[in-house]
Amino acid sequence: ETGVTQTPRHLVMGMTNKKSLKCEQHLGHNAMYWYKQSAKKPLELMFVYSLEERVENNSVPSRFSPECPNSSHLFLHLHTLQPEDSALYLCASSQGLEGTKNIQYFGAGTRLSVL
Amino acid sequence: GENVEQHPSTLSVQEGDSAVIKCTYSDSASNYFPWYKQELGKGPQLIIDIRSNVGEKKDQRIAVTLNKTAKHFSLHITETQPEDSAVYFCAASISGGYQKVTFGTGTKLQVIP
Repeated sequence: ETGVTQTPRHLVMGMTNKKSLKCEQHLGHNAMYWYKQSAKKPLELMFVYSLEERVENNSVPSRFSPECPNSSHLFLHLHTLQPEDSALYLCASSQGLEGTKNIQYFGAGTRLSVL
Repeated sequence: GENVEQHPSTLSVQEGDSAVIKCTYSDSASNYFPWYKQELGKGPQLIIDIRSNVGEKKDQRIAVTLNKTAKHFSLHITETQPEDSAVYFCAASISGGYQKVTFGTGTKLQVIP
């Protein structure tokens, strides 16, 4: 166990559905991240939060809406997704953003399929 | 921005042989280079990392080398075992207030018993 828990592990949704992905870290970290992992492509950074404030929004479409209510929890709200959004969504956390504090610990991911 | 290229995309080795995965980066400001291992059904896990003030780092059967002049770094796994089979990702991080990590495309390593 990495100390980062993601739920659900698998999600199938239609293009008109609204769903949310949840991430919880038990490491006492201050920074949390959402990544998208698609086949044969590098990990794509989506959002970064530090102390509950968003510090990076990497040109992500508005149909993905992050929420960080506290430093231990991170959500990704999904609505009107497209089939090309099907991927593994990974959450990560780190002690901080700078230097040696930026070592990231990943959850197991949510496998999302958009029909 | 930073660009990280990783080769090969797939690698098959016999158990007990060595495996080498190579990465190049584009931004000379990068100063932190982690390697992650991702097993089936799991998220990436950090296995070793190296900073730009060091040329080589070892941890048991795993070693990483860094050539700052050529802007490339490599992962070496010796005496491979079936449990080493996984996808390996290299990454590079640019120094600054917020160190964004850029990942390579991954190498699928298969160790044949």
